Amino acid sequence: QKEVEQNSGPLSVPEGAIASLNCTYSDRGSQSFFWYRQYSGKSPELIMSIYSNGDKEDGRFTAQLNKASQYVSLLIRDSQPSDSATYLCAVKGNFNKFYFGSGTKLNVKP
Amino acid sequence: KAGVTQTPRYLIKTRGQQVTLSCSPISGHRSVSWYQQTPGQGLQFLFEYFSETQRNKGNFPGRFSGRQFSNSRSEMNVSTLELGDSALYLCASSWTSGSPNTGELFFGEGSRLTVL
Repeated sequence: QKEVEQNSGPLSVPEGAIASLNCTYSDRGSQSFFWYRQYSGKSPELIMSIYSNGDKEDGRFTAQLNKASQYVSLLIRDSQPSDSATYLCAVKGNFNKFYFGSGTKLNVKP
Repeated sequence: KAGVTQTPRYLIKTRGQQVTLSCSPISGHRSVSWYQQTPGQGLQFLFEYFSETQRNKGNFPGRFSGRQFSNSRSEMNVSTLELGDSALYLCASSWTSGSPNTGELFFGEGSRLTVL
């Protein structure tokens, strides 16, 4: 059983729209959650971290965490073509071992 | 502040050879992790080092090994290379010891290994 599940997409949204990316995880004891963005041919880049239930906003990005439902999401407002990338959900395990989802590919159409 | 530095960036090897990849973490980061990324399997955890000690290991064969030096720099080695070892190998560092509610991973640019 995979620890972190994501819809692989691709998710296509028009420029200016809200992109919603979702992730579920299996370990109910998990406490630290992250979203990474990976452009084609590049390494993952940290976008957001979230540790408490609720919403956390940073610019156009909002991470949402619901530990009871074991669900993490990332909202991207006013999506831009430069947001087109693969978004990886990650859950932290013991000793800095991170479990990554397979990623959701986002396409933002001009 | 310099990021995570990995060398070499690209390399081509043949089956049966061995390879050593190097990683210099962000200054002050004592935790270094290695991940393998392939199109089919995504990001898979190889191992993590903290203060020269391997604390965690993923489900990879013994051909994959690593070490960390006193200055936190790390190397990973793959012996007897197989075609399936072709992948992007990513090093990541973190400032924390791994306690909950802390500590993002910061990735290097990766070493892309092609095995022929």
